[in-house]
Amino acid sequence: AQKVTQAQTEISVVEKEDVTLDCVYETRDTTYYLFWYKQPPSGELVFLIRRNSFDEQNEISGRYSWNFQKSTSSFNFTITASQVVDSAVYFCALSEAIDASGSRLTFGEGTQLTVNP
Amino acid sequence: EAGVAQSPRYKIIEKRQSVAFWCNPISGHATLYWYQQILGQGPKLLIQFQNNGVVDDSQLPKDRFSAERLKGVDSTLKIQPAKLEDSAVYLCASSLRLRGADTDTQYFGPGTRLTVL
Repeated sequence: AQKVTQAQTEISVVEKEDVTLDCVYETRDTTYYLFWYKQPPSGELVFLIRRNSFDEQNEISGRYSWNFQKSTSSFNFTITASQVVDSAVYFCALSEAIDASGSRLTFGEGTQLTVNP
Repeated sequence: EAGVAQSPRYKIIEKRQSVAFWCNPISGHATLYWYQQILGQGPKLLIQFQNNGVVDDSQLPKDRFSAERLKGVDSTLKIQPAKLEDSAVYLCASSLRLRGADTDTQYFGPGTRLTVL
């Protein structure tokens, strides 16, 4: 069975600080996909990034960056110069193939990020 | 482009009552998912449809939960009768994924917050 672990339950930082959210995963699949979603207080899950298991290049999008390391089964997320609007719960997720036509997302428990002014 | 629509946003019922949630996916999305998110946890997949067929319902408590997607577009999730432990946010998601394709991205609706008293 697949598993996603987000060891940090809550993180609190002051605005403009950099913050890294950790994600460690377990899977037996050789082909898999990793995701990060943001869940603001409104409740809707907002897609941030998708990465497949064959692409270990790090990615940067504005203040967001992701570090994928297959050797340590980690897919960490860094926010540079954090802002109050970044306050939310962040989920890491792993896609598992069910059969040729379906897949299932397994979510971690989430990390509550609070950015204080 | 309109996102995933869900209604109602909030529902409060007594235990043993019935309740139904509605979801309209993003136009053209073949796959529709229902998730249950208990407070403080990550979402857990209940059921996945591809067009109007069920792909995965292995985690759906079938003694009380049912779901349908009759015309391959919108979907209804029902709980009958509700228990206290059903209190959660019910999230609907959709993706463009077609049969045999690689995993694609799931886009989520705002969710329905259910409170069972």
